[in-house]
Amino acid sequence: NAGVMQNPRHLVRRRGQEARLRCSPMKGHSHVYWYRQLPEEGLKFMVYLQKENIIDESGMPKERFSAEFPKEGPSILRIQQVVRGDSAAYFCASSPGGGADNGYTFGSGTRLTVV
Amino acid sequence: TQLLEQSPQFLSIQEGENLTVYCNSSSVFSSLQWYRQEPGEGPVLLVTVVTGGEVKKLKRLTFQFGDARKDSSLHITAAQPGDTGLYLCASDTSGTYKYIFGTGTRLKVLA
Repeated sequence: NAGVMQNPRHLVRRRGQEARLRCSPMKGHSHVYWYRQLPEEGLKFMVYLQKENIIDESGMPKERFSAEFPKEGPSILRIQQVVRGDSAAYFCASSPGGGADNGYTFGSGTRLTVV
Repeated sequence: TQLLEQSPQFLSIQEGENLTVYCNSSSVFSSLQWYRQEPGEGPVLLVTVVTGGEVKKLKRLTFQFGDARKDSSLHITAAQPGDTGLYLCASDTSGTYKYIFGTGTRLKVLA
């Protein structure tokens, strides 16, 4: 019974490169959320997706960042032309439905380092 | 915008001691969750509280939801080194899917 799977666990990119972070939700979960955690800080909401739909991307920077959750395959968080300030841990969570009380199941995160 | 304030930010105690950490908001929570995050891992859900005044127990952990649903506490009895981690509270914003997280309490239990 696999949980939320994120890969890679660690990603190093040079400034200006692209970073692709993948997330496979728990079996039976159709709602995916991406959060970013900077060192010594809490988690900040980025985007909420359901299959083939972006429901809320209000926490995601307008430029360079995009997310998708295709009909088949994992959800992808894509960061183009990375800068040092993008260095952070990116967590994906999934839930069986949206709304209160469902709770999230988090993956182990992808730690992005921009050099 | 609802903000969640957690206190204390850092806590270092000896094994066997008791402790309480707090989560407060200026707004009413629809529900509130507590998570524990260990270094290098994602947060793990501990409990969800929904009803004002609710108390839930999870082994040595006791979670309380304030009567007015604007605050919550987590009490750990006889702390153990395995309790070390970052404790986060989270609340959905007005019954939606989007959870707001507090900045956390970083607990270290020394053997």
